[in-house]
Amino acid sequence: DTGVSQNPRHKITKRGQNVTFRCDPISEHNRLYWYRQTLGQGPEFLTYFQNEAQLEKSRLLSDRFSAERPKGSFSTLEIQRTEQGDSAMYLCASSLKGQGNTEAFFGQGTRLTVV
Amino acid sequence: TQLLEQSPQFLSIQEGENLTVYCNSSSVFSSLQWYRQEPGEGPVLLVTVVTGGEVKKLKRLTFQFGDARKDSSLHITAAQPGDTGLYLCAGARVYNFNKFYFGSGTKLNVKP
Repeated sequence: DTGVSQNPRHKITKRGQNVTFRCDPISEHNRLYWYRQTLGQGPEFLTYFQNEAQLEKSRLLSDRFSAERPKGSFSTLEIQRTEQGDSAMYLCASSLKGQGNTEAFFGQGTRLTVV
Repeated sequence: TQLLEQSPQFLSIQEGENLTVYCNSSSVFSSLQWYRQEPGEGPVLLVTVVTGGEVKKLKRLTFQFGDARKDSSLHITAAQPGDTGLYLCAGARVYNFNKFYFGSGTKLNVKP
């Protein structure tokens, strides 16, 4: 399977715990994105990387959220001190740097439930 | 207020009917994508349009990009139950094509 891979698919955690999600992009893609999607809404941009550099972060990404892409390949998204409002689907996407018509391909997502 | 507004939000039709979903904005986009998403899964890319006025066909699906690159439509001919899902449009803006803005989606239910 050469698509975007996300792990775990589902995560249930207690409020206040830390969680970490992993994303493995399509191998030749140098751009990686994290999005969050709540029920009935479209995905909302969180952050993106070009290679290992985190180039943009949304104001949605509070100081409890941190994302890394240490070697420009896989990425992790960590949420510290989880809150019930963090419950959502966390989506990762990757793309190849282009000139204006970049296409992003998504993984299957990680469904987080904070209880 | 979302950058991309999709309409209708919900659509329930009988198998065999035609339908059109709209994606509108006041902003210009360098490209626009349409995705289909099933419950519990990530969005799956259907098509990308990049040129104003462009029309692309994918079997029974026809996608159009507005002349001014501010809007798009998706037309499905003879809908089938397998077309059921959430249809999302997403655009990359002219000056920042690193980030994709999504509409809130159109939830389509095709009844057999």
